[in-house]
Amino acid sequence: EIQMTQSPSSLSASVGDRVTVTCRASQSIVNYLNWYQQEPGKAPKLLIDSASRLQSGVPSRFSGSGSGTDFTLTISSLQPEDFATYYCQQSYGALPTFGPGTKVDIK
Amino acid sequence: EVQLLESGGDLIQAGGSLRLSCAASGFTFSSYAMSWVRQAPGKGLEWVSGISGSGDRTYYADSVKGRFTISRDNSQNTLYVQMRGLRAEDTAVYYCAKDCSSTSAPVCFGPWGQGTLVTVSS
Repeated sequence: EIQMTQSPSSLSASVGDRVTVTCRASQSIVNYLNWYQQEPGKAPKLLIDSASRLQSGVPSRFSGSGSGTDFTLTISSLQPEDFATYYCQQSYGALPTFGPGTKVDIK
Repeated sequence: EVQLLESGGDLIQAGGSLRLSCAASGFTFSSYAMSWVRQAPGKGLEWVSGISGSGDRTYYADSVKGRFTISRDNSQNTLYVQMRGLRAEDTAVYYCAKDCSSTSAPVCFGPWGQGTLVTVSS
């Protein structure tokens, strides 16, 4: 099973800040990496698939990059509605696995 | 608009069985793989099981293999998971999710339903 780690586990930021979340896979997953946002009390929402492909309707301040084992989710200018938990997920292995999540809260 | 509506969550004793359903609308149900993903209280996401669009291929996490059975009825646009031998650690909100790709295996998940809570008491 491919293991996913994320760093940091949580961060505090202010509106307008540039925020970066890192995801690392235990082996190369090429670009089979997806990012999700989960607001408190809500279902997760797919933001980015294939490491960098933004889903329709997702604001352009979100971007994804990386390949192999190291990936990054960047929010260029944090907005109030972006305070949430972010999960990465790999789909390269036989079975999908999620990272443990990164909680972004208000400084 | 894609809509997914889960039902069937309940409070159940350890060792018991439960069947969850997910009613889908707004897309060609049989063309997409579907998955169940769960979230224990205060914890992260765990993919549980997936099924191809035709229903001929199923996939399970090791934690539920042999206890859970995923199925679908494409004539009714409904996804199911039959859960047996439930344990306290199966307590979670269970989400159904449409696959974002048209492959037969689970790849990426979106959109998701609102979830249904399963509580297993020991």
